[in-house]
Amino acid sequence: GEDVEQSLFLSVREGDSSVINCTYTDSSSTYLYWYKQEPGAGLQLLTYIFSNMDMKQDQRLTVLLNKKDKHLSLRIADTQTGDSAIYFCAESTDSGNTGKLIFGQGTTLQVKP
Amino acid sequence: EPEVTQTPSHQVTQMGQEVILRCVPISNHLYFYWYRQILGQKVEFLVSFYNNEISEKSEIFDDQFSVERPDGSNFTLKIRSTKLEDSAMYFCASGTSPPGETQYFGPGTRLLVL
Repeated sequence: GEDVEQSLFLSVREGDSSVINCTYTDSSSTYLYWYKQEPGAGLQLLTYIFSNMDMKQDQRLTVLLNKKDKHLSLRIADTQTGDSAIYFCAESTDSGNTGKLIFGQGTTLQVKP
Repeated sequence: EPEVTQTPSHQVTQMGQEVILRCVPISNHLYFYWYRQILGQKVEFLVSFYNNEISEKSEIFDDQFSVERPDGSNFTLKIRSTKLEDSAMYFCASGTSPPGETQYFGPGTRLLVL
């Protein structure tokens, strides 16, 4: 079945790069997403990538997709304390064409000053 | 910037009571969703809604749940007889066409069933 897995925790120093990894099982994924959740807040869409792309860059964010290995990563350059949050990887597939998202369990990013 | 809004932000109810969670999706969006996140667990899909009908629902979305778009702006989730295990954060989302390309979430309603 559909499943998305992430490591639970990442700690980095301010100014370093952060790399958050995600694996998924459904080979029919059409879009893959990164969402950010700050404490007590909702899910903020950070970026997404279409499954026929390998890479997408958006300011400090770089998304890499290895479709063969079903591996997605989010790199945050020059990580700031304001980047501390939970980051969720999610996929949508074309089954049913409804846009249903399958989420990973979230990676807590801790940025130390 | 347009955003999805949800009310109330918090709701406390007694087991067996009915609750209605309300959402106002982004105005030009056509696809609407409810998800929930039990504390410490993954965000789970509940239901998707398009063209005034349910397009997909999960196993969680049993007969106790229903959704409605009563007018042109609101999208509601009703839980008919709440159970303790319904305690969770409920997120509404809306999206553009094609479905799945962009999906924007509201801030959530935290439901506590006592």
